[in-house]
Amino acid sequence: QQQVKQSPQSLIVQKGGIPIINCAYENTAFDYFPWYQQFPGKGPALLIAIRPDVSEKKEGRFTISFNKSAKQFSLHIMDSQPGDSATYFCAAGSGGSNYKLTFGKGTLLTVNP
Amino acid sequence: DSGVTQTPKHLITATGQRVTLRCSPRSGDLSVYWYQQSLDQGLQFLIQYYNGEERAKGNILERFSAQQFPDLHSELNLSSLELGDSALYFCASSPGPTSNQPQHFGDGTRLSIL
Repeated sequence: QQQVKQSPQSLIVQKGGIPIINCAYENTAFDYFPWYQQFPGKGPALLIAIRPDVSEKKEGRFTISFNKSAKQFSLHIMDSQPGDSATYFCAAGSGGSNYKLTFGKGTLLTVNP
Repeated sequence: DSGVTQTPKHLITATGQRVTLRCSPRSGDLSVYWYQQSLDQGLQFLIQYYNGEERAKGNILERFSAQQFPDLHSELNLSSLELGDSALYFCASSPGPTSNQPQHFGDGTRLSIL
């Protein structure tokens, strides 16, 4: 019940395209949904996060869409660039005392020039 | 720069040995988390400390232990090392005890067991 399912496993787009990565969760106790970006040899970097009281959040070229009723959230990268090529992880957290930050398995994004 | 510092960056050792990984959290953060990342397992939560006390345990082996010191830095001790322990070990920190607060990661320690 604490799982977060992420898809696709890998994604290839052309420069300027809009890759979309999707995540789904089951547990309604989750109330915090961050996305992380990880480059090879580096730690995951917090990219953007959303809480369930809003349906969309934008930061620069990155947008999270959140659908509370469907228990799904997604990351959109506008005008993608080769430098966006990385692994992206979604996650879900809770204010409850017995919940850890639960990660999806990651999506390897390649943006071709 | 996340503000989370991990040392060493690389460790190469042999089976049966013991190593200690070190983490300094972001200034002001009281929680420290340890994660293991391997190719086939993704990011696996190991253990969390909050203000010096163990707060949560994940998939941490009995051969592994951790502690958080009064200055809030943390150490992860791995003993009786096996080939399968080769992985990236990340530390993250957050301001409070719950998982609905931003966690910032260090750049990890790459552990290679020969």
